Amino acid sequence: AQRVTQPEKLLSVFKGAPVELKCNYSYSGSPELFWYVQYSRQRLQLLLRHISRESIKGFTADLNKGETSFHLKKPFAQEEDSAMYYCAPLPYRDNYGQNFVFGPGTRLSVLP
Amino acid sequence: KAGVTQTPRYLIKTRGQQVTLSCSPISGHRSVSWYQQTPGQGLQFLFEYFSETQRNKGNFPGRFSGRQFSNSRSEMNVSTLELGDSALYLCASSLTATNSGNTIYFGEGSWLTVV
Repeated sequence: AQRVTQPEKLLSVFKGAPVELKCNYSYSGSPELFWYVQYSRQRLQLLLRHISRESIKGFTADLNKGETSFHLKKPFAQEEDSAMYYCAPLPYRDNYGQNFVFGPGTRLSVLP
Repeated sequence: KAGVTQTPRYLIKTRGQQVTLSCSPISGHRSVSWYQQTPGQGLQFLFEYFSETQRNKGNFPGRFSGRQFSNSRSEMNVSTLELGDSALYLCASSLTATNSGNTIYFGEGSWLTVV
């Protein structure tokens, strides 16, 4: 089955440390991938999309087709980065038709 | 412009009842999609509507249904509620269908508790 995995449910790092949130996908074709973030008591929102190759709030994500990964990285984590992060692909066609599927999410906790 | 708004924000229902949740998309957006968010299952896609037509449906039982009106507002309905339906139900809108690559904007959600 085509799917997106985020192996870490919880990731804790200290302020100023580098952070990498892992995302792996397993479907064919040319994927288009997104990272969404949900801060405490805020709505889910788009953080960045790979096609734009931009850096948002210091975060970057590179699509690695060889490793089928789209890891989210930031060189120096800040406390305000603490949130739930979801990796998501563009809809793909599976047995049920097209679905927009999110990964299970990783909760990032940046400690002072 | 106003974001995606969902009503009601919180509600409590008993098993066997039915519930209707409402979503008003961002003005000009024609696609509305619904998701169920629970601690155990994460975010799961329910269905997507575009121009009043259901485009996609997730792997949920027929008790979950929805519709979209000509003004793009959408409702979802859950009949014969079960305890496991307790969740945050998120609505999202985008300019066109989600597979076009347009950004999806989420509402704050409707918290449903089934007792």
